[in-house]
Amino acid sequence: GDQVEQSPSALSLHEGTGSALRCNFTTTMRAVQWFRKNSRGSLINLFYLASGTKENGRLKSAFDSKERYSTLHIRDAQLEDSGTYFCAAEATSNNRIFFGDGTQLVVKP
Amino acid sequence: EAAVTQSPRNKVAVTGGKVTLSCNQTNNHNNMYWYRQDTGHGLRLIHYSYGAGSTEKGDIPDGYKASRPSQENFSLILELATPSQTSVYFCASGGTGGAGQLYFGEGSKLTVL
Repeated sequence: GDQVEQSPSALSLHEGTGSALRCNFTTTMRAVQWFRKNSRGSLINLFYLASGTKENGRLKSAFDSKERYSTLHIRDAQLEDSGTYFCAAEATSNNRIFFGDGTQLVVKP
Repeated sequence: EAAVTQSPRNKVAVTGGKVTLSCNQTNNHNNMYWYRQDTGHGLRLIHYSYGAGSTEKGDIPDGYKASRPSQENFSLILELATPSQTSVYFCASGGTGGAGQLYFGEGSKLTVL
């Protein structure tokens, strides 16, 4: 979307390695949420942050409203991490939610 | 864990036919949303609602109507389905005030032939 620039659009990782996804925002966001669309097509909630960082297992997310970005770090990638990852951010000005275009992650053996 | 249930999960419709996608949430959230997700695109907002009786146009409302008869239920209606509406549709609910954390249903795959 115009308000959210998500990168990379595609990512390939070998099992055990890691990387980071990033969303840059063109306006001030109140909060950010990260999802994974799994092989069944369901959207899985990963993180919801209004500030700072959160960690869950091999995933860690950070959100800096002032600098207008959020990141999702994946470490020790596993095959089941494959899927499309989306960030969604809530604009401070009008509570609208804007989605990134997604990152297609493929984890290879 | 918040629960959002969509039905049907899969639907094949013919061009010009009427399609209704239903969404039920048991979280007592005021806000509900309908999005479509197409390959290479983020989720795009079709319609949303602030509460029972309210419907608002999102970013791509053309060809869709919405209905919020109760706090729990939010429907997306395609009066005259077209092949361009073939997509995966997601319903979501969110908290009061600002949108807050969104909880999504499992998606409804619609194919219009």
